[in-house]
Amino acid sequence: GQNIDQPTEMTATEGAIVQINCTYQTSGFNGLFWYQQHAGEAPTFLSYNVLDGLEEKGRFSSFLSRSKGYSYLLLKELQMKDSASYLCARRNQGGKLIFGQGTELSVKP
Amino acid sequence: GAGVSQSPSNKVTEKGKDVELRCDPISGHTALYWYRQSLGQGLEFLIYFQGNSAPDKSGLPSDRFSAERTGGSVSTLTIQRTQQEDSAVYLCASSLYGFQDTQYFGPGTRLTVL
Repeated sequence: GQNIDQPTEMTATEGAIVQINCTYQTSGFNGLFWYQQHAGEAPTFLSYNVLDGLEEKGRFSSFLSRSKGYSYLLLKELQMKDSASYLCARRNQGGKLIFGQGTELSVKP
Repeated sequence: GAGVSQSPSNKVTEKGKDVELRCDPISGHTALYWYRQSLGQGLEFLIYFQGNSAPDKSGLPSDRFSAERTGGSVSTLTIQRTQQEDSAVYLCASSLYGFQDTQYFGPGTRLTVL
């Protein structure tokens, strides 16, 4: 299968750093996406990794290790508005996106 | 320009009725995707259009589900003889050329089948 595993929920404090992990099956891998989805809203694109390493974009960074089938999304200087669901999605060779169930992040004051 | 739009935003229907959900992709995007998101579940791929053709219908859950796209733009997802398990948020996304490009999502249609 193409199981994608990520924690169901996480809680963090405003101003802190949080890391959301995602593991996936490596066969046929062709890219890893992270999306943010606020309750009742559409998912919005955050990041894309296809090569190993860290991609930094402001307060958000995403890391990929292809050999380990592992990615993480790092959120720094957390703000209350960062409370949302974070979706990890793996793209296969045919181009189809397979989404994980999402990690519900709650940022507390 | 404008993002992906979907209508209606909410639809409540009775079991056994047919429903049509509409998606307007970002202008100029040739690829269009339909997903379903059930409560507590990840996004489930339904169908993908490249222009007006659907090279990948593998995600459609049953023959009650069909979709079409005309003029390379607007798409309609039709669910016939709706069942309660069809209740979900139906999301549409578009990308510039195809699967290799980032997908941008619409706000979704929340379907409730009573």
